Amino acid sequence: KQEVTQIPAALSVPEGENLVLNCSFTDSAIYNLQWFRQDPGKGLTSLLLIQSSQREQTSGRLNASLDKSSGRSTLYIAASQPGDSATYLCAVIDSWGKLQFGAGTQVVVTP
Amino acid sequence: EAQVTQNPRYLITVTGKKLTVTCSQNMNHEYMSWYRQDPGLGLRQIYYSMNVEVTDKGDVPEGYKVSRKEKRNFPLILESPSPNQTSLYFCASSSNRNTEAFFGQGTRLTVV
Repeated sequence: KQEVTQIPAALSVPEGENLVLNCSFTDSAIYNLQWFRQDPGKGLTSLLLIQSSQREQTSGRLNASLDKSSGRSTLYIAASQPGDSATYLCAVIDSWGKLQFGAGTQVVVTP
Repeated sequence: EAQVTQNPRYLITVTGKKLTVTCSQNMNHEYMSWYRQDPGLGLRQIYYSMNVEVTDKGDVPEGYKVSRKEKRNFPLILESPSPNQTSLYFCASSSNRNTEAFFGQGTRLTVV
């Protein structure tokens, strides 16, 4: 059974620092991996999708890497801003399209 | 604007009173699914649909029904809601089962 773990569970950084969020999964037979952002009481906003054949995906200040063989993905957010404060979720996508989510990393960026 | 729309956003109901949460997407996506989010348990899949008239159970289907009569709509039906179905519900869609998933804004359901 696939298990997805996100470490740390919470993270607080001063504005301007780079953020490094980790996601690990136990079964490497995944199709894709997707990173989301969730603001309190709100829906999930898609940040990046990494296909299983890719090693990396970039969008603006965001960069996500994927190492299927070791069961890891890392989301980097450069030059963090207070508006980056949110919970970040990773989800692995299996062959049936089911997203298996981690518990999330709650990020606070202080001015 | 491309979006997944859920209604209602908030709902308080009583045990046993049938309810439907609607979900609609305007992206012509084939794949749609429902998730519930609970503290300590995270997001779990309830049901999914690969196309019109094709639906299947996810991880936590008990107490729920779905239908997919049109490509754009995927309603979630609770025939006899119970307090343990109090949760935050999300509908999601993607062009096919392995592509980027887009989520609705969520429906916060309270069953008393």
